[in-house]
Amino acid sequence: QLQLQESGPGLVKSSETLSLTCTVSGASISRIGYYWGWLRQPPGKGLEWIGSIYYSGSTYDNSSLKSRITISVETSKNQFSLKLSSVTAADTAVYYCARHNMMAAGKFDYWGQGTLVTVSS
Amino acid sequence: SYVLTQSPSVSVAPGQTATVTCEGNNIGSRSVHWYQQKPGQAPILVIYYDSDRPSGIPERFSGSKSGNTATLTIARVEAGDEADYYCQLWDSSSEHPMFGGGTKLTVL
Repeated sequence: QLQLQESGPGLVKSSETLSLTCTVSGASISRIGYYWGWLRQPPGKGLEWIGSIYYSGSTYDNSSLKSRITISVETSKNQFSLKLSSVTAADTAVYYCARHNMMAAGKFDYWGQGTLVTVSS
Repeated sequence: SYVLTQSPSVSVAPGQTATVTCEGNNIGSRSVHWYQQKPGQAPILVIYYDSDRPSGIPERFSGSKSGNTATLTIARVEAGDEADYYCQLWDSSSEHPMFGGGTKLTVL
């Protein structure tokens, strides 16, 4: 069974860089046709897509965050990562990683449990 | 950019049918997916390709589309169905997945 698990600091200082890693188990991150995505959900609000990456390194990024986002993939470790620079309180959210099935109209069919990241001043 | 509009809330008594709608321009030409998110949990996919159910999702959950509206229908609602429901599609023009704002389903 495919599982995803987010890891990283739960507290980041304002203006610094948020760094998270998603570890995939139960399937290869290099499987053809599947992107791997990051999403977030501020407290009490809806879902926002951040970006998605293919095992080759090709990415789709949310244009509203693009200048602050770096998404990378480490196929040897079956992991992919997110870096979000210059964070502010508005970046406080639960961050999810998910499999982004681009062969199936872009559905997110497997999700991690999510990790809360709080930006402090 | 493409916008998906959902009603903020829906209330239904146990055993009744709940209808959650998602409106978007020309949604009929796009595949819509639906997610259920219970408090403190990650979303789970309950409907994909407008009306298909992943394995493990009860048959009580169904999806449809008409005009500019996609609909998630939950028959014989149970207390355990109380959750937020989100619609989502892939917007090929922006190359972004788009989410609706979510609908909170309350079981009375």
